[in-house]
Amino acid sequence: RKEVEQDPGPFNVPEGATVAFNCTYSNSASQSFFWYRQDCRKEPKLLMSVYSSGNEDGRFTAQLNRASQYISLLIRDSKLSDSATYLCVVNGGGNNDMRFGAGTRLTVKP
Amino acid sequence: DVKVTQSSRYLVKRTGEKVFLECVQDMDHENMFWYRQDPGLGLRLIYFSYDVKMKEKGDIPEGYSVSREKKERFSLILESASTNQTSMYLCASSGQANNYYGYTFGSGTRLTVV
Repeated sequence: RKEVEQDPGPFNVPEGATVAFNCTYSNSASQSFFWYRQDCRKEPKLLMSVYSSGNEDGRFTAQLNRASQYISLLIRDSKLSDSATYLCVVNGGGNNDMRFGAGTRLTVKP
Repeated sequence: DVKVTQSSRYLVKRTGEKVFLECVQDMDHENMFWYRQDPGLGLRLIYFSYDVKMKEKGDIPEGYSVSREKKERFSLILESASTNQTSMYLCASSGQANNYYGYTFGSGTRLTVV
């Protein structure tokens, strides 16, 4: 089993749609959680950290469920510019322990 | 803003060549990392360093070595490049214990070994 697993995708949605990505992790001792966005042929960039209580940043909402060991990302009112690959990242607690999901590709169409 | 700079965006090397990939960060971060990213496999950790002259193996260190002589610079060395090392290489840094605020990545080096 992979340490961090994401929806395989790809997700193709129309503009304005709401789309949700899920991610599960295997290390129950994991301490911090992130969603990164990666555009084609570019580096990953931090989209948002995920806090235990859940957090929102504009159209983006992240949720953490420690009991079930999953993280979600909800994007409301999708824009063409949201097209990218979204990476789920989980930190087990050590300096070398950031684990990356393989990513979920999102394409938002007009 | 933290800046992580990788010396080359695109590189083409021949099999057997020794290849140096350079990474420099400007925010006095302790932790630096080298990953490779391949389609369907995600990011895999090659080596990391949490202090000058310190290095630790990641998940896939075979065929690679690293050097950290100065805090701001972390170099990845392919001792004898092979075609299966064709990949996107990403350098990252973080300044917090346990990477609490995540990483900042460099723009990546797309290496092709022919």
